[in-house]
Amino acid sequence: AQSVTQLGSHVSVSEGALVLLRCNYSSSVPPYLFWYVQYPNQGLQLLLKYTTGATLVKGINGFEAEFKKSETSFHLTKPSAHMSDAAEYFCAVSAIRGGSSNTGKLIFGQGTTLQVKP
Amino acid sequence: GAGVSQSPSNKVTEKGKDVELRCDPISGHTALYWYRQSLGQGLEFLIYFQGNSAPDKSGLPSDRFSAERTGGSVSTLTIQRTQQEDSAVYLCASSLADANTEAFFGQGTRLTVV
Repeated sequence: AQSVTQLGSHVSVSEGALVLLRCNYSSSVPPYLFWYVQYPNQGLQLLLKYTTGATLVKGINGFEAEFKKSETSFHLTKPSAHMSDAAEYFCAVSAIRGGSSNTGKLIFGQGTTLQVKP
Repeated sequence: GAGVSQSPSNKVTEKGKDVELRCDPISGHTALYWYRQSLGQGLEFLIYFQGNSAPDKSGLPSDRFSAERTGGSVSTLTIQRTQQEDSAVYLCASSLADANTEAFFGQGTRLTVV
């Protein structure tokens, strides 16, 4: 069965510092991987996704993530944090049907709350 | 509409009552999902509709929970005989058919059972 583990439920960085949010996954087939962001009292918004092709994926708001198969990781980074980046971030993997095909159903990690200090 | 719409945005109900939560997906999206977000539980999958296929109900926590999708569009999640542990934010999302496409989420319905 697939699973997602996000290391660190809370991460705090200073404005302008590097943001690194960690995500490891488990999947029996090549995964589809996603990062979503949730601002207070709002729904989830897609930051970026990896399906096939280039393993370094760029998303919105300056975020990027790298798919590393050997490490089963999909960590999210941003070179310089901004106050507006404070939110909750969710890593997700697509569920598998029939043992071999990805579906649109998502399995989420527990989420990481990012705090940005001035 | 332009996005996924959920109603009501907030619902307070008494324990034991039934509630219905509504989701209007983005027009043309054939896939529709319900998730539940609660403290300490993260985001849990509940049910998934894809076109005319039988829904994937594997995430429904008990037989008090049910959902339907009429005409391939609007969906209603029904919780019967609500319990306090049902208190959570219920999120609906929709997407095009392919698994690698983005799921667009509504703002959720915050359900409080008192």
